[in-house]
Formats: sequence, C-alpha cells, structure tokens
Amino acid sequence: AQKITQTQPGMFVQEKEAVTLDCTYDTSDPSYGLFWYKQPSSGEMIFLIYQGSYDQQNATEGRYSLNFQKARKSANLVISASQLGDSAMYFCAMREANTDKLIFGTGTRLQVFP
Amino acid sequence: DTEVTQTPKHLVMGMTNKKSLKCEQHMGHRAMYWYKQKAKKPPELMFVYSYEKLSINESVPSRFSPECPNSSLLNLHLHALQPEDSALYLCASSHDPGPGGDTQYFGPGTRLTVL
Repeated sequence: AQKITQTQPGMFVQEKEAVTLDCTYDTSDPSYGLFWYKQPSSGEMIFLIYQGSYDQQNATEGRYSLNFQKARKSANLVISASQLGDSAMYFCAMREANTDKLIFGTGTRLQVFP
Repeated sequence: DTEVTQTPKHLVMGMTNKKSLKCEQHMGHRAMYWYKQKAKKPPELMFVYSYEKLSINESVPSRFSPECPNSSLLNLHLHALQPEDSALYLCASSHDPGPGGDTQYFGPGTRLTVL
C-alpha cells in the first residue's frame, strides 16, 4: 500500500536561513506524483510544489525546491531564505496510482524565528 | 486563477440540524473532492466527484451526503451529525480526474462545530 512518512513533527529555523523538511514515500507503482502543501493556522491548504515520478529534474518554485531522490524514495522540501510568514504546517502528499486519491503524511510544523 | 471558494467559513450546528456546505470553482476543473481534517491530523478523503459523478466514497456515514449539481459546484449536506464530526472540511478541485500528477487546489475550508 502507498504510504507517506514525515518524521519531523516540528522544526525551527531562523529567518533568512534555509530549512529542509523530510518526506519519504512507499509505492510499488512506477507512475506517481508527489506534492507539498503549506497549511497556515487559518486552515487553507496551499499548494507549493509538484514532482512527477518521471521528471528528470528536481522541481523548483521560487524559494521552494524539491530534493527528489527516487532510488531512496525521498522527496524533501527545501525552503531557502526563510521568512516569518513561512511558519505553518507542511504536508507531503502522494497521488495514488490509478485513482484520484491524495495520501498525506502526518505533517511537519515549521516555526521561523527572528 | 487557482481559487476554490467555500461557504460558510464557520458553522455551528446541533445534532438535530440540517445544514449544507458549499464549494465552488470556476477553473474548468472536472474533479472535485471533500476532505475532513481533525485538529493536528492530515486531511482524510471523504468523496471524489469525477465529471459530476461520484467516483469515490471512502465509507463515509450516510449523515454526510454529497451533491454535485454542476461542474463548478459541490455541496455537502449534513444531517444528524455527532460531536465527533466537528472538524475542518476542505474542498479541493483538480483539472482532470484519473491517475497521474494532477494538482489538487484547496479552498479555505469550513470549520464545523457540532454541539
């Protein structure tokens, strides 16, 4: 069965520093999609970045990049130049093959301090 | 524009009430989703509509009744809820249903409290 694991319940980072949020996944299907979402305390799930299993290059979106290591089944999110507004819960998710289901990890709460 | 709207933002209801949550998107997306999220937990899928037809029901109790009147609208009708149904209800949409990496875009959610 597909599974997403986020082993860091909480992370702290100083403003302007970079931070890496870990995500590992498990699937036997060769075709899948990996996503990162940010959820501030307001509740909205904000899409950040996507990586397809066949993509040759790591995805980047502004200050967000995804460190995709297919052989290790990891899809870590790197946030560069952290800002106070980055403080939120971050969820890694995988699109299950052959269905419309999105499977979420348990999340990592990131706190950025001045 | 990747906007999904949800109303109301907050809802308090008694166990005997009937209420509805509404979700709307105007991005031409053909798949729409309802998720339930309890505090400090990840979202859990409830229903998926694909081309306005229910394609996935994750064994949700019948007191939750989804409806997709058209390709832009998704409702969740609530009846005889229990206090444990109190949660954040998130709606999402994606361009194309089916396998692959199509991104789901979420609305701001409705915070439901059942008394």
